[in-house]
This record gives sequence, C-alpha cells and structure tokens, in this order.
Amino acid sequence: AQSVTQLGSHVSVSEGALVLLRCNYSSSVPPYLFWYVQYPNQGLQLLLKYTTGATLVKGINGFEAEFKKSETSFHLTKPSAHMSDAAEYFCAPANAGGTSYGKLTFGQGTILTVHP
Amino acid sequence: EPEVTQTPSHQVTQMGQEVILRCVPISNHLYFYWYRQILGQKVEFLVSFYNNEISEKSEIFDDQFSVERPDGSNFTLKIRSTKLEDSAMYFCASKVGSGRNQPQHFGDGTRLSIL
Repeated sequence: AQSVTQLGSHVSVSEGALVLLRCNYSSSVPPYLFWYVQYPNQGLQLLLKYTTGATLVKGINGFEAEFKKSETSFHLTKPSAHMSDAAEYFCAPANAGGTSYGKLTFGQGTILTVHP
Repeated sequence: EPEVTQTPSHQVTQMGQEVILRCVPISNHLYFYWYRQILGQKVEFLVSFYNNEISEKSEIFDDQFSVERPDGSNFTLKIRSTKLEDSAMYFCASKVGSGRNQPQHFGDGTRLSIL
C-alpha cells in the first residue's frame, strides 16, 4: 500500500522567490507519483507525473519535480513564484495492485500563499 | 480540451434525504472514480468503477452509497439516507486506461451540505 506525507500544511513565499513543496512517499513497489493543484472553487488539475524514466519531470505553469528513490521523495519546485500560483497542492501516489486501477492516495495538501 | 463535468456545483439537503450527484466523464474514458474531501481533511478515495461494476470501494463506501452508469455517459453517486457527516466536497474522476501511469482527470466537484 502507498502512503504519502506532505511536510508543511502552509507555505508562504514572496513573488519571484523559489517555491519548494515537499512530498515523501512510502511504497512497496515502484511508485507512480502525481502532483495536483486545486485553485479556489475549482477541481483538481494535474500538474505533473512521474512514472518511469527521467527522474526530473516538468509540468505545467513552470513547475517541476524530482523523483529521488533514495530519499523516497518527490518534491515540487518552481524557480520563481507568481501570484497566480496561490493554490493548494496535493501529492498523490497511484495505488499498485488490487482492482482499483490506480486509485490515488492523497497527501494532506499544502496551501501556497504568494505575497507581493 | 475535454473535461469532466459535475452537477450540481452545490447541493443542500436535509438529513435523511436521498441525494444524487452527477458526473459526465471524458467521453473515451473507461475508468471512473469518486473521491470526497471533508472540509479541512484529505481527499479520500470512495470507489472505482469499470465495465459497469464496482472494482474497489473504501470502508467509507457503505450500504448507503451506490454508483451507476445509467446511460453510457453519466456516472452518478447516490447517497440513500444522508447524514450530517456526509457533508463534503465530492469529486468525480475518470481516466482512459487501467495503468497506474494514466492520470485521472477531475471535475470541479459538488459541495454537499447536509442540514
């Protein structure tokens, strides 16, 4: 079974600063990992995913994440925050095995605040 | 870009009443899911559905819940007798294939408020 921990329920950065949102997972099988973003009053939008291959994956809106097996981490970064990045971010591994066809196990979410 | 649509966006219901939440998945998708998010808590898996039957359900998904794909386009979640603790945001999701590498596409959710 998969589990996931997002360190920091709230992260606040200045516009133009580096964004770092942390995600650590545990998995008994090679993980497939997703980051989703939820803007206010909207649904969950896929930011990026790691399945196999290159460990540095790029997503939408300038975000990227690096899969580090040795650290069981999949942290999300963006070099320069924009006001429009303010949202809640969720890390979610896809379940292996069973019959759920990859149900997602969500972290508790990190609310990103960007101030001028 | 095709998207998952959910209706209504907000549903207010008296405790004990039945409620049906509706979803139209992306048209070529075959795998369907419901999740919920109680205010201030994690997004939780409820049920997955494929080939007109439930493939997996969580312990939250008790006998009060049911899902149906009545007409090949809609995917519904029914709560037979609502409780106060059913108040949450309910998300529908779909994906095209069975693989774990396939991303799920989510709707904007239905906020269910039980009075």
